[in-house]
Amino acid sequence: EDQVTQSPEALRLQEGESSSLNCSYTVSGLRGLFWYRQDPGKGPEFLFTLYSAGEEKEKERLKATLTKKESFLHITAPKPEDSATYLCAVNYGQNFVFGPGTRLSVLP
Amino acid sequence: KAGVTQTPRYLIKTRGQQVTLSCSPISGHRSVSWYQQTPGQGLQFLFEYFSETQRNKGNFPGRFSGRQFSNSRSEMNVSTLELGDSALYLCASNLGGPATNEKLFFGSGTQLSVL
Repeated sequence: EDQVTQSPEALRLQEGESSSLNCSYTVSGLRGLFWYRQDPGKGPEFLFTLYSAGEEKEKERLKATLTKKESFLHITAPKPEDSATYLCAVNYGQNFVFGPGTRLSVLP
Repeated sequence: KAGVTQTPRYLIKTRGQQVTLSCSPISGHRSVSWYQQTPGQGLQFLFEYFSETQRNKGNFPGRFSGRQFSNSRSEMNVSTLELGDSALYLCASNLGGPATNEKLFFGSGTQLSVL
């Protein structure tokens, strides 16, 4: 069965404590993997698109990487304003499927 | 450039009623997708419209329906509301839809509470 999973479900970090979020997928014919950030009560906001294994994208303290079966979102020296839910989504065929998200809390 | 606009922002309804939600996509975007987001199920795909035609549909009962107008604005309707329909309903737009592998731009959503 095609699916997208994310781990951990929730993550609490101290400010400056780097970590990684995982997105695993079991779909055929991946066309693109997307990372979004969602703040409470708002819609998801686009971060990155990755298209092929080995690709990496960076933006400020965030870096996304992609392998054949998973993607990682690395957060370096996070700040409290990085607190949000991070969603990954895969595009395959005519489908755009989201993972359940990782809820990140960064404590000052 | 204005983003995706959803109205209303909040809705409170009772079981058995029906509700209509509205979405105005980014100017020039012809594809509008609708998602239901709940704490337990995450983001679930409802349907996608492109040029007034429904191109794709998720696994939801027939009580959930939608349409798209010639100006690309879209509405979704839920009839005979159930308690489990309480959720954040998100609308997303892009130029060509999921098949084009473009990123989706989301609105802020309509928070529906069914009492």
